[in-house]
Amino acid sequence: QSVLTQPPSVSAAPGQKVSISCSGSSSSIGSNYVSWYQQFPGTAPKLLIYDNNRRPSGIPDRFSGSKSGTSATLGITGLQAGDEADYYCGTWDSSLSVGVFGTGTKVTVL
Amino acid sequence: EVQLVESGGALIQPGGSLRLSCAASGFTFSSYEMHWVRQAPGKGLEWVSHISTDGGPRYYADSVTGRFTISRDNAKNSVYLQMNSLRAEDTAFYYCARVQRGQPDHWGQGTLVTVSS
Repeated sequence: QSVLTQPPSVSAAPGQKVSISCSGSSSSIGSNYVSWYQQFPGTAPKLLIYDNNRRPSGIPDRFSGSKSGTSATLGITGLQAGDEADYYCGTWDSSLSVGVFGTGTKVTVL
Repeated sequence: EVQLVESGGALIQPGGSLRLSCAASGFTFSSYEMHWVRQAPGKGLEWVSHISTDGGPRYYADSVTGRFTISRDNAKNSVYLQMNSLRAEDTAFYYCARVQRGQPDHWGQGTLVTVSS
């Protein structure tokens, strides 16, 4: 079934920036909104970005999203120790009529 | 405040059945589509199923098609997942999520289903 591809891990020093890519297809990312989620161990995912680049209230502007063609990117600037978590992208696949999530990326603050 | 509370998770033998429930509050439940999403221990998120606002169109992942059934009761502000013919690979935390424009925006805390003899 359809899946979105993310790098397994990214890392950077505190205060630096990381970018997480999410690659899909024309029927998934290419045709639908992309959302991003942050998940700490033992907790439920939390919405960080929706509609490709919008932040829910309470999410700091250090988190940003973008989409181009069949790929999306999550950016985190001013990296903090508290940002260490797993991050997932998600969207809908219009051709298959299924939801799809990314493979997940672990962010490590060095 | 939007709240989603799952229940019904348990230890169940292979081949058994289980019904998960998700009670919603803090929003107009009948106006939102809903997802079930699962996560095996130490693994990534896997979308399981989707139901439209009126219970009409329903969609399933290939891995559960023919075994799982999603339903909802708008009068009770609840969504359900009936799981039959359970397999070891169905072991996971199961989350219900509210959906907007195809995107889960609020998630429950999850309920654990363990399939083992």
